[in-house]
This record gives sequence, structure tokens and C-alpha cells, in this order.
Amino acid sequence: DIQMTQSPASLSASVGDRVTITCQASQDIRNRLNWFQQKPGQPPKLLIYHASSLETGVPSRFSGSGSGTDFTFTIASLQPEDFATYYCQQYDNLLRFTFGPGTKVDIK
Amino acid sequence: QLQLQESGPGLVKPSETLSLTCTVFGGSISSSSYYWGWIRQSPGKGLEWIGSISYTENTYYNPSLKSRVTLSVDTSKNQFSLKLISVTAADTAVFYCARQRVWGQAFDIWGQGTRVIVSS
Repeated sequence: DIQMTQSPASLSASVGDRVTITCQASQDIRNRLNWFQQKPGQPPKLLIYHASSLETGVPSRFSGSGSGTDFTFTIASLQPEDFATYYCQQYDNLLRFTFGPGTKVDIK
Repeated sequence: QLQLQESGPGLVKPSETLSLTCTVFGGSISSSSYYWGWIRQSPGKGLEWIGSISYTENTYYNPSLKSRVTLSVDTSKNQFSLKLISVTAADTAVFYCARQRVWGQAFDIWGQGTRVIVSS
């Protein structure tokens, strides 16, 4: 099974800050990596698919990059509504899905 | 606007079967562009994919749960369902149903989730 790690587990940031989260896969997953945002009491929301493609309707301050085993998620300028937990999620060539443990972004 | 809604008991006894249904509103479940998935979330295990099904009943499951899970689909009702047998307290979680885009394999629309507690 492919394991996903994320770092940091949590971070504190201010409005306007640039925020970067990393996700690492235990083996090469090419670009089979998606990013989600989850707020308390809500389901996850898809932000980025194929490692770097912005989902329709998602603000352009969100971006993703990487391929293989190492991926990065960036919020260019943190907004008040962006305080949430962020998850990466991979799928392998047998279409089995694994989520990362999450990164909680809270207010500094 | 497509919406998904989970339904089912909120309390299940240990060793019994957890059964949930997801109803799709505002669109048809019978599309070759999508699969329909179940994901659960618990404090101890985070987000865990359970399995996915197509409207033609092609299924694939999380290997760690495969022996206990059955997914089914009812296109006449625009619903798909989850059965998890022999539940224990470790199965307590919020269960989500979600639409899975074939292109990109992304869960792009989610239900609000339903909390299921396993307890006697």
C-alpha cells in the first residue's frame, strides 16, 4: 500500500501570509495526487487535482506542484476563509485511494 | 446542482451490520464519467476510502476493508449503498458518500456526512 505523509501537521499563520504544505508518497505516484480543504463540520472540498490542476471555481491563490513522490500545496496569500485542514490524497494504478494525515492551518 | 445525501442508522451494535444509502439529487447516477464512492473519517484513522462503484456495478474496495464491505447501486432510485458487516467500535466514524470523477479520479462532490456510532 502507498503511504502518504504530510508536513507540517499544523501551522499558525496570519492573513496575507504565504503558506506551503508538503506531501510525500511512499512510492512513485506520478501526478496522481489531489488536495482537499476541510472546515469543521463540513465534508472535504476538492481544490487541486492531477497534482497541479485547479478545480473549477477555486480561487487562484491555491496551487499545487510536484510529481513522483514529492508534492507541494501553496496558498499564495492566506485569507480568513482559508483557515482549515488540508489533505493530500493519492490513487494508485489499481484505483486505491489513500489520504494524508492532514495539515491544520490556524490563526497566528 | 448535483447533491448527495447519506441516510441510515446513527447507532449500530457491535458485531452487527452497518447499512447506509446515498441518494443522488439533481443528476443521474447512470453516467460512465463517474464512479460513486464511500469515505469515512474518524479521529483515530483520519480520512479512509472504503470503496467505489460504477452504475454498471463495477466495484473496487480498500483492501483493508474488502472482506467486510459490499457496495451496491440502484439506478432506478438514483442511489448507491454501503454494507459493512461485523462492526466494532473502531468502525465509529462519519461516513461520506462522494462522486468520483473518472478523469482525474477526484472526489469532486461530497455529501454532508452521517455519523455512525458503534455501541451496545
